[in-house]
Amino acid sequence: GENVEQHPSTLSVQEGDSAVIKCTYSDSASNYFPWYKQELGKRPQLIIDIRSNVGEKKDQRIAVTLNKTAKHFSLHITETQPEDSAVYFCDLSGSRLTFGEGTQLTVNP
Amino acid sequence: GAVVSQHPSWVICKSGTSVKIECRSLDFQATTMFWYRQFPKQSLMLMATSNEGSKATYEQGVEKDKFLINHASLTLSTLTVTSAHPEDSSFYICSAMLAADEQYFGPGTRLTVT
Repeated sequence: GENVEQHPSTLSVQEGDSAVIKCTYSDSASNYFPWYKQELGKRPQLIIDIRSNVGEKKDQRIAVTLNKTAKHFSLHITETQPEDSAVYFCDLSGSRLTFGEGTQLTVNP
Repeated sequence: GAVVSQHPSWVICKSGTSVKIECRSLDFQATTMFWYRQFPKQSLMLMATSNEGSKATYEQGVEKDKFLINHASLTLSTLTVTSAHPEDSSFYICSAMLAADEQYFGPGTRLTVT
C-alpha cells in the first residue's frame, strides 16, 4: 500500500531563516501532493499543494517542489516568522489518503 | 468557501455510553467525507471513508461495529462511538472532499471518556 515518510520530525530555526520539510513516498499513482499546517488543538489547514504535472509552486513565502522521478516533495518556508510555528503534515492522495508523521516547526524570535 | 463544521467541539462521557459526532459541509456538497483520529503529538490516522448513500469503508484495525458511520446526506456525516471506553479518548477530525483530491477539515472533536 501507499507509504509516506516525512523528515525531519522536529525542526527549530531562527526567525528569518528558511525551513525545509521533505516527504518521500512509494506510490507512483499519486498525483496530488498537499501540505497542511496544524496549530495546537486546531484543524489542519491546507497551505499549499502541487499536482504531478508541475515541478514547483510558490505562494509568497511558501513553496512546494516535486520530484516524481525520485518520489519526493518538499515544503519550503522562507523568512520564517514565529507564527509559522506549528506542525506541518504532508499528504499523499492516490487511491487512499496517507499523511506523513508530521514535523514540529519551531521558529525562535 | 469550503467550510466544514463539527459538533460537538468537545464531549465528556462515561464509560459504556455512546457518543455521536456530526460533520457538516456548510457551503458545498460532499459525496465523500473522512474520519480521522489524532493522538497528542501524532499524525492523523484515517479511520474510515464515508460515502453518501452507501456503507462506509473502514481502515484496517478499525472496528466498524464500534465506530458507526452514517452519511445520509451530501452535507452531513456522523460518527457514533458506541460503548465508549477510556482508550477511545482522542481528538476526532472529519474532512470533506470539495474536488477530486482537495479536502477540508472540520475543527475536531475532543472526546474524553471517564
